[in-house]
Amino acid sequence: DAGVIQSPRHEVTEMGQEVTLRCKPISGHDYLFWYRQTMMRGLELLIYFNNNVPIDDSGMPEDRFSAKMPNASFSTLKIQPSEPRDSAVYFCASSSGTRLQHFGDGTRLSIL
Amino acid sequence: QQQVKQSPQSLIVQKGGISIINCAYENTAFDYFPWYQQFPGKGPALLIAIRPDVSEKKEGRFTISFNKSAKQFSLHIMDSQPGDSATYFCAAPSNTGKLIFGQGTTLQVKP
Repeated sequence: DAGVIQSPRHEVTEMGQEVTLRCKPISGHDYLFWYRQTMMRGLELLIYFNNNVPIDDSGMPEDRFSAKMPNASFSTLKIQPSEPRDSAVYFCASSSGTRLQHFGDGTRLSIL
Repeated sequence: QQQVKQSPQSLIVQKGGISIINCAYENTAFDYFPWYQQFPGKGPALLIAIRPDVSEKKEGRFTISFNKSAKQFSLHIMDSQPGDSATYFCAAPSNTGKLIFGQGTTLQVKP
């Protein structure tokens, strides 16, 4: 049974470029979460969706970040323009209900 | 802002020893308290979880203890093994349904 699939696994880009992270949740899950992990701030919830609808985006750091979920099997997190302080590991997680969240293996993002 | 305070930040245990990680929470939805295990280069994976109507839950070598009055819960790893070396996160549900994660504990089990 496939888990949460994220792509790319690693992304290195220059400051100012647009970055798009992708996530395929587990089939049948109705919740999707985007997290950011850094040494300084730990695991931070950025935004989550329920049945493809954004429910809480209070964790999105600023307007440069946006997330979409056009259908039940795909979500994107976009950063435009990117900045060095956006460098982190970004995780997508999905769940049936909000509690038993299953995480992908993340995208390690480096902004030069 | 709701917080979950986790300690210690790092832990070194000899093989066969007991690893203990503690978490304290503030106001919460109070229905489910999970622990996640994360290996380098991987996402957090659900390890074990407890509901607050029980004081203890055991799965193999892993045990969660829950103290409702003190608003604390802890993870005990019995007979710790080098393969248990990982980062462990506790989490508590917020009143709005989100999971609030602790800062993590890096466990190293020495052979």
